[in-house]
Amino acid sequence: DAGVTQSPTHLIKTRGQHVTLRCSPISGHKSVSWYQQVLGQGPQFIFQYYEKEERGRGNFPDRFSARQFPNYSSELNVNALLLGDSALYLCASSLGDTHQPQHFGDGTRLSIL
Amino acid sequence: AQSVTQLDSQVPVFEEAPVELRCNYSSSVSVYLFWYVQYPNQGLQLLLKYLSGSTLVESINGFEAEFNKSQTSFHLRKPSVHISDTAEYFCAVSRSGGYNKLIFGAGTRLAVHP
Repeated sequence: DAGVTQSPTHLIKTRGQHVTLRCSPISGHKSVSWYQQVLGQGPQFIFQYYEKEERGRGNFPDRFSARQFPNYSSELNVNALLLGDSALYLCASSLGDTHQPQHFGDGTRLSIL
Repeated sequence: AQSVTQLDSQVPVFEEAPVELRCNYSSSVSVYLFWYVQYPNQGLQLLLKYLSGSTLVESINGFEAEFNKSQTSFHLRKPSVHISDTAEYFCAVSRSGGYNKLIFGAGTRLAVHP
C-alpha cells in the first residue's frame, strides 16, 4: 500500500507570495496532521483534521490555514510568506484522532527567498 | 501542556557498541510516548510506542525503550548499533484521551562510526 504522499517535494517562493501544499493520506486513514520542521529542530504541530473537521490548531498565525477534502486528502495554505516560513512541512495520517500512531510523508521542502 | 527534553543533541558511537538516547517529558496528564527516526531527506518513521501495559517496548530492528513514570523518562536503547542506524531520533508525546497532537523534542543525532 502507498504511504503518505506529499507534493511538491521542493518549492521555492519569494516573500509575500502564497503557497499550497498537498497531502494524500494512507488509504483508510481519516485523520491528517500538519507539522513544520525548521532546520535543526523537532517538528512543530500546525493543524489536525479528522473527518473534514479541524480538531486542533498549533501556535501559528492566521496566515496558515488548511482543509480536508471528502477523500481525506488535505491542503495546507500559507499566505504572505516570510523568510521564517522556510522549513520542511510534514504531513501525517492516522486511522483516528486519538492514540493511533501517525505515519509521516517525506515532506515538502519550502524555501523562501 | 506537555513538553519533551532530549538531553543529548548528538551521540557519537562506534559500530557494535551499545547506545542510549535520553528523553524526559513533562505533563500534568497521562501521555502516550513515541520514538520516531528520520533519515536524511526523509520524513519520520515510527520506531516504537508506549500506549499502556508493559513499560518495556521493543521495535523490530533491535531498539527498545522503557517508560518510567516516576522519572518521567522514555529512554531509547540498543545493545549493538550498526552504521545504518545513523539518523536523527525524535522523542514525542501526546495527551492520552485527547486528539493525537504530537509534541516533539529537539532530536538527537546518532552518528555510528566504523
